[in-house]
Amino acid sequence: QKEVEQNSGPLSVPEGAIASLNCTYSDRGSQSFFWYRQYSGKSPELIMFIYSNGDKEDGRFTAQLNKASQYVSLLIRDSQPSDSATYLCAVNFGNEKLTFGTGTRLTIIP
Amino acid sequence: DVKVTQSSRYLVKRTGEKVFLECVQDMDHENMFWYRQDPGLGLRLIYFSYDVKMKEKGDIPEGYSVSREKKERFSLILESASTNQTSMYLCASSPGGAGEKLFFGSGTQLSVL
Repeated sequence: QKEVEQNSGPLSVPEGAIASLNCTYSDRGSQSFFWYRQYSGKSPELIMFIYSNGDKEDGRFTAQLNKASQYVSLLIRDSQPSDSATYLCAVNFGNEKLTFGTGTRLTIIP
Repeated sequence: DVKVTQSSRYLVKRTGEKVFLECVQDMDHENMFWYRQDPGLGLRLIYFSYDVKMKEKGDIPEGYSVSREKKERFSLILESASTNQTSMYLCASSPGGAGEKLFFGSGTQLSVL
């Protein structure tokens, strides 16, 4: 069974600080990795994807991938109250579909 | 912008009823997916489709079926609704390739009484 694990939180971070969200996965052969953001009562929206080891930056968001250790993380710099949401990690295990973690609930404290 | 439209935001049905959930996308995407989302269990894949009239089982297909007669439309069918199918149902589409970069509809909250 291919699995994606996330700490459910809640994770509380002061406004302006860096929020760090982590995700581990079970298959070393996995190819592509995604972070989705889901506001309460809304559907998930894609915010980052990463395919190669290392860092990928997009504005205040940085995705980090370490395939040897089988983890992917999302850093949010200068956290804003609007970043308060549940963040879902998703992995393509090479079987033509995405497997999601259960999500980490992030709260930014003003 | 990609638009994925689900026909109902809220539905209330009775045990044993046949339930149809409809999903339409307007971006000519090849792939379409049905997930359900439950607290503590996350998003779980029910069925997906890569082409018209094609379907593949996801992780939890039991009690469900699907229909894709046209490229833009993907329907989820609960043949005989049960209380354990009370959930948020999310439809998604993607342009092709291994189920990545999903675009989600707004969801249907189904309650089975």
